[in-house]
Formats: sequence, C-alpha cells, structure tokens
Amino acid sequence: KQEVTQIPAALSVPEGENLVLNCSFTDSAIYNLQWFRQDPGKGLTSLLLIQSSQREQTSGRLNASLDKSSGRSTLYIAASQPGDSATYLCAVRDSGAGSYQLTFGKGTKLSVIP
Amino acid sequence: GAGVSQTPSNKVTEKGKYVELRCDPISGHTALYWYRQSLGQGPEFLIYFQGTGAADDSGLPNDRFFAVRPEGSVSTLKIQRTERGDSAVYLCASSVDLGGSEQYFGPGTRLTVT
Repeated sequence: KQEVTQIPAALSVPEGENLVLNCSFTDSAIYNLQWFRQDPGKGLTSLLLIQSSQREQTSGRLNASLDKSSGRSTLYIAASQPGDSATYLCAVRDSGAGSYQLTFGKGTKLSVIP
Repeated sequence: GAGVSQTPSNKVTEKGKYVELRCDPISGHTALYWYRQSLGQGPEFLIYFQGTGAADDSGLPNDRFFAVRPEGSVSTLKIQRTERGDSAVYLCASSVDLGGSEQYFGPGTRLTVT
C-alpha cells in the first residue's frame, strides 16, 4: 500500500527566503505526482503536476522535482512571500491498472513571516 | 470557466441522521472523485466515477456510505445513520478523464455530526 510522508510538518521562515518542502513515497511505481496548496477552510489548489517520466516542473517561483527511483519529490519556493503561507500537500497516483485515485501526505504547514 | 462546486459548504447534523452532499464537476469532465479529509490529515480516497458508473468504491469506509452519479455529471454522496466519526471535510474533484490528467478540487463540504 502506497504511503506518502511530508517533512517537516510545519515550517516558519522570514519573508524573502528560499525554501524546500519534502515529500517521500514508499512505492516508486507511480504514474504522476501532484503538489497542492490548501488555505485554511478551503479546498485544494493544484500547483504542479509531474509525470513519472519527468524530472521537474516549474511555474513562476515554484519548482518541483521528482526522483522516482528513490521515492522523493521536493517543492522549491523562491523568494517566499507572506501570501505563500498555507498548507502544501503532496499526492501520488500509482501506476497499477485501474489505479486513478491520489494518495496524499499529511502536508507541510508553511508560515512566511513579514 | 466555472470550477468544481460543492453544496452545502457546511452541514451540521445530529448523530443518526441521513445527509446528502452534492458535487458539480467542471463541465465536460467525465471522471469524478470523492475524498474525505479529517483534521490534520491529508485527504483520503473514497470513490471515483467514470461517467455514470462507480469505477472504484474501495475507499468507502462501510455500507453507510453510498454515492451516485446518475447522469454522468452531478454526483451525490449519501451517508446514512451518521456517526460523530464521520465529521470531516468531504472533497470532490474532477478530471477530463481517468487517464493521466490533473484532478481539480472543489472547496469541500464541512460535515459536523453532533
């Protein structure tokens, strides 16, 4: 059974810092990996989707990397801003036949201090 | 265009009552997913549909939970004889199809069972 772990559970940084959020998964046979942002009391906003054949994806100040063989992904946020404060969730879709659901980690709660 | 919508946004019910939660997917999306998120946890898969049929309901916790999608668009998650442990945020997502595409999430319904 796939398990997804995110470290750290919470992170507080001063505005302007670059930071890295970590995600690991136990079964490397994945189809894709998705990073989401969740604001308090809100749903999930998709940030980046990486297919299993890709090594990284970039969107603005965000860069996500994937090392499928080692079961790891990182989300790099450059020049953090207070508006980046949210919980960041990592989710994987397994590559098995008929496997379309996402398995999520518990998230990393990010606070960017002005 | 409009995103995934869910109604109601909040639902408070008494233990033992029946509730229905509604999800309107993005127009044209054939795949629809339900997840449940307990406090401090990542979302957990419940069920997904391709068109009108439930392709995988293996995540439903017990037979008190049931979901339908009669016309291949709107879906309703039904919970009978609610228990306090059912309290959570119920999230709905849709994707173009069950293939490798991205899942887009709605804002969720917060269910509180008293």
